[in-house]
Amino acid sequence: GQNIDQPTEMTATEGAIVQINCTYQTSGFNGLFWYQQHAGEAPTFLSYNVLDGLEEKGRFSSFLSRSKGYSYLLLKELQMKDSASYLCAVKGPDSWGKLQFGAGTQVVVTP
Amino acid sequence: DVKVTQSSRYLVKRTGEKVFLECVQDMDHENMFWYRQDPGLGLRLIYFSYDVKMKEKGDIPEGYSVSREKKERFSLILESASTNQTSMYLCASLDRDQPQHFGDGTRLSIL
Repeated sequence: GQNIDQPTEMTATEGAIVQINCTYQTSGFNGLFWYQQHAGEAPTFLSYNVLDGLEEKGRFSSFLSRSKGYSYLLLKELQMKDSASYLCAVKGPDSWGKLQFGAGTQVVVTP
Repeated sequence: DVKVTQSSRYLVKRTGEKVFLECVQDMDHENMFWYRQDPGLGLRLIYFSYDVKMKEKGDIPEGYSVSREKKERFSLILESASTNQTSMYLCASLDRDQPQHFGDGTRLSIL
């Protein structure tokens, strides 16, 4: 099985930087996804890490350390529209693409 | 763009009813998934399917069944709805190593 932990809620001001940590304990690992979910909407894909290191996509970056079972999502130059839940999900070793999700981190951006 | 369509955004049913939730994807994806999402618990996998007429149990299959008669359509069935099945239900599909794409969800209330 898998155990995936992320903080429940984080608050930051517009223009600031926020780092959302995700730790996992797995019986198999084949990559880690970050999704963004606005209230009442579908989760949308943000990033995928399978090798150690940092992946940068505009204002969003994601980091993975497989040896530490650790990832983070970094949101820079926060905007009000970034207020959402951020979901960390680990892909298992099977070939079907199954994901195990953390409970999500609610990010609140204040003016 | 991948389109995953769930038949209803909101649904209200009564205890004991048989409930059908429908999901259709338009990208010829082989793998489809049904999750439920509850506060503090994140997304939990109910069932998934990797081909027509093929299905596998996820982490919480009790009280549910599924049907995949055509590649594009994956149905979730609550055989006899109970109040503890009140939840947000999310369908997703994927192709090979691509990210899962989600529908907008069905908020189901069982009275």
